[in-house]
Amino acid sequence: GAVVSQHPSWVICKSGTSVKIECRSLDFQATTMFWYRQFPKQSLMLMATSNEGSKATYEQGVEKDKFLINHASLTLSTLTVTSAHPEDSSFYICSARDLGSGRGGTYEQYFGPGTRLTVT
Amino acid sequence: AQSVAQPEDQVNVAEGNPLTVKCTYSVSGNPYLFWYVQYPNRGLQFLLKYITGDNLVKGSYGFEAEFNKSQTSFHLKKPSALVSDSALYFCAVRAHTSGTYKYIFGTGTRLKVLA
Repeated sequence: GAVVSQHPSWVICKSGTSVKIECRSLDFQATTMFWYRQFPKQSLMLMATSNEGSKATYEQGVEKDKFLINHASLTLSTLTVTSAHPEDSSFYICSARDLGSGRGGTYEQYFGPGTRLTVT
Repeated sequence: AQSVAQPEDQVNVAEGNPLTVKCTYSVSGNPYLFWYVQYPNRGLQFLLKYITGDNLVKGSYGFEAEFNKSQTSFHLKKPSALVSDSALYFCAVRAHTSGTYKYIFGTGTRLKVLA
C-alpha cells in the first residue's frame, strides 16, 4: 500500500515551453501533497505544499507564477513548469500525506519516484 | 530555527562491517524523525521512523536507528553492510511551521560499501 506515482518519469523540453508533471496517490487519499526539487548531489528543497481544493502554499523564493500547482482531487496533484528555462532542469519529487496517518499523529509522507526535467 | 544536519557527505565501509550514518537535529517540541534512502534517479524510500517509545528503532533491510534526546541525534546503523546498501541516505525531521507540518531534510550522506 501507500504508493505514489509520478508521470512522466523523465521529460526533455525546449526553452520557453511548459511542462506538466502529475503526482498520484494510487491506493490512498491525500489531502496534502508536497513538491520538492532536488539538484544534483544535493538535498530535497521543498517548493510548495498543495492542499486539495485550495491554493498551494509556496516556500520563500519559489515563483508561484512559474511553478503552477493544482490539487484538484484527493489523489492527484499537478506541477506545471511554465516558460521553462535551462536553469529549471532538475529532479522533481512529489510526496503525499496519507489522510489516515494523521490520526496516529505520524503524518507520514510517501514519495513518488521523481521526474527528471531537462530543458534545452 | 529547525534543522537537520548530516555531517558526513560520504561514508565508506567494507562489506560485512558495521555502518553508521550520522544525523543531528534541532526542532522545537517532540521530534518526529525519519530516515530515507535514495537510489540513482529514484524517489525516496522510507527506512524507519521514530515517533515515541523505544530509543532503538528497527526498520527495513536490517537498518536501525538510535534516538538520543540528550545529544539530539538519530544515527542510522546496520550491523553488517552489504554492497547493495550503497546509496544516498537522508535524515528528516517533521517540523510544524506556519500552521502546517513539513519535512526538513538533511543534506544527505552517500554510503559506499566496498566489496
